[in-house]
Amino acid sequence: SQQGEEDPQALSIQEGENATMNCSYKTSINNLQWYRQNSGRGLVHLILIRSNEREKHSGRLRVTLDTSKKSSSLLITASRAADTASYFCATDGRHSNSGYALNFGKGTSLLVTP
Amino acid sequence: GAGVSQSPRYKVTKRGQDVTLRCDPISSHATLYWYQQALGQGPEFLTYFNYEAQPDKSGLPSDRFSAERPEGSISTLTIQRTEQRDSAMYRCASSSTGNSYNEQFFGPGTRLTVL
Repeated sequence: SQQGEEDPQALSIQEGENATMNCSYKTSINNLQWYRQNSGRGLVHLILIRSNEREKHSGRLRVTLDTSKKSSSLLITASRAADTASYFCATDGRHSNSGYALNFGKGTSLLVTP
Repeated sequence: GAGVSQSPRYKVTKRGQDVTLRCDPISSHATLYWYQQALGQGPEFLTYFNYEAQPDKSGLPSDRFSAERPEGSISTLTIQRTEQRDSAMYRCASSSTGNSYNEQFFGPGTRLTVL
């Protein structure tokens, strides 16, 4: 079963605009991660935010985390056509000292047009 | 290695056949994960290994699915008596340790089609 849920399911913007995607989850977490999946390619890790962090930046990416609302957002600024992809949030679940399962949402499909 | 690799990249098989998928993790990584991703969905956890131990296989959908990592490096996922509903992308990931603050690095996946 998928714990996370991204919103919106699909987003279409023009190059140069900002894109915001939201993620909600159900249970307590140690961290939340965002991944990108290009058509026909693998999942690429974008950013990890810990449960005691509220905001994190990486290049044109800004991630926020609100554990009281069990939600996170991913902001991509000054979008480019190459940002066209599906974006997934993933929370850690069933973790132990030896490993943890990532719980993914269904993803947001982002289309950036020139 | 430079990254996680998987083979084959594509596999087409007939219903009832057995298939084995291979994952070669980043060489220094202790932990290896398998996920199944249906079309239009996010990946779903199947099982993981810490070196050769398999602490959690609760995500395997049936006893037709099994995985091995006998020497703590390369892993295989075997699906016996494949069914059409097994058609999906199978993704492998590895991380340096099992600590949840270590990101998981994913391979390109194996696209399995069961006819």
